[in-house]
Amino acid sequence: GAVVSQHPSWVICKSGTSVKIECRSLDFQATTMFWYRQFPKQSLMLMATSNEGSKATYEQGVEKDKFLINHASLTLSTLTVTSAHPEDSSFYICSAREDRTRGQPQHFGDGTRLSIL
Amino acid sequence: QKEVEQNSGPLSVPEGAIASLNCTYSDRGSQSFFWYRQYSGKSPELIMFIYSNGDKEDGRFTAQLNKASQYVSLLIRDSQPSDSATYLCAVRRTNAGKSTFGDGTTLTVKP
Repeated sequence: GAVVSQHPSWVICKSGTSVKIECRSLDFQATTMFWYRQFPKQSLMLMATSNEGSKATYEQGVEKDKFLINHASLTLSTLTVTSAHPEDSSFYICSAREDRTRGQPQHFGDGTRLSIL
Repeated sequence: QKEVEQNSGPLSVPEGAIASLNCTYSDRGSQSFFWYRQYSGKSPELIMFIYSNGDKEDGRFTAQLNKASQYVSLLIRDSQPSDSATYLCAVRRTNAGKSTFGDGTTLTVKP
């Protein structure tokens, strides 16, 4: 159980393109979803937290207009990297958690490797 | 001081040995504690979680929690080369929206 599906797994595109990444919880209701970014050999960096139907809460230093997050349903969240540039190239990982019971763990998707040329 | 501290390693153990990974945290209000494993180039996967003081065992893994001393540890018995990965500790207050992750400890199990 607790499967989180993330697509696409790999994206290569030209600078200036907007890229959308989908994150779905397949067998549970994801009350809370998280988006992380990780550069090679570095720690996970939380970008934002979102609750279904609410606006995402972004971490300090993360540009809201650059990284658009939509958590429209209890099973789907999307991250759109708008007008992507080479410095946005990174490993983006979503994570989801069901909060009906206290203290539940969050489960991670397989990640999306984004390369901007 | 970081909220969640882990030795970055690398921690190297021979195959078959016990690997001991430690994590300390600063927020006394933390109630939930999680261990994740992350292979190089992959996303984290949940190994165990623990809420109460003491030990919790799952196969070759044992999580140990001591809230008074504010540390949580992960023991891996009969370590295998396939256990070589980075292990992330995460802590969370019960009603908090997010968990705080440590930077991880890299474990290498040598055949």
